[in-house]
Amino acid sequence: QSVLTQPPSVSGAPGQRVTISCTGSSSNIGAGYDVHWYQQLPGTAPKLLIYVNRNRPSGVPDRFSGSKSGTSASLAITGLQAEDEANYYCQSYDSSLSGSDVVFGGGTMLTVL
Amino acid sequence: QVQLQQSGPGLVKPSQTLSLTCAISGDSVSSNSAAWNWIRQSPSRGLEWLGRTYYRSKWHNDYAVSVKSRIIINPDTSKNQFSLQLNSVTPEDTAVYYCGRSLTLGAAFDIWGQGTMVTVSS
Repeated sequence: QSVLTQPPSVSGAPGQRVTISCTGSSSNIGAGYDVHWYQQLPGTAPKLLIYVNRNRPSGVPDRFSGSKSGTSASLAITGLQAEDEANYYCQSYDSSLSGSDVVFGGGTMLTVL
Repeated sequence: QVQLQQSGPGLVKPSQTLSLTCAISGDSVSSNSAAWNWIRQSPSRGLEWLGRTYYRSKWHNDYAVSVKSRIIINPDTSKNQFSLQLNSVTPEDTAVYYCGRSLTLGAAFDIWGQGTMVTVSS
């Protein structure tokens, strides 16, 4: 059971827009900690897609965008392309009585129909 | 261009120690603005951060609560690399292990190693 909750799967047709949610709590996203997003293609390491809630590293297309509000964050992908088919993960930081840890979402598989 | 190159065995026996190394090129393990992390991924546990080492006037280590009693992450400044030791492993520790860089504490992992599949089995 991941600390951050993501839908297991989403899908969309080429050219469409999809969003992936990442729901946390008052000890992580709701506490003001930043959210980051990764894309993972099969057999490869995760690749940073969005950092500090809404910023794109150099080379990431502007079709990818991030937002954060309250205890949740979202990743939006517009103009879906076949190459976007991958697993997507959110990441934040969690601070509770038991300690402070980097935490990840369980991942969302994006299928391009 | 920063790159991380992992090395280490892919098979470890139960109760023994898992040891992996991550060699850094294009940056320094002693950097005052980076942290050097270990993360693992398995079907049952997903992505799981294990810990990090970083230098801010002196060396610091932070470890995940789940492995705190049996993990050591060490920097090696002479070889510009850092290592992971996970003691008393069980089949639950079977996973792909990644090293990664974060540019501030709590920041995103912007550079990842290639990953090492480690199986715990007799």
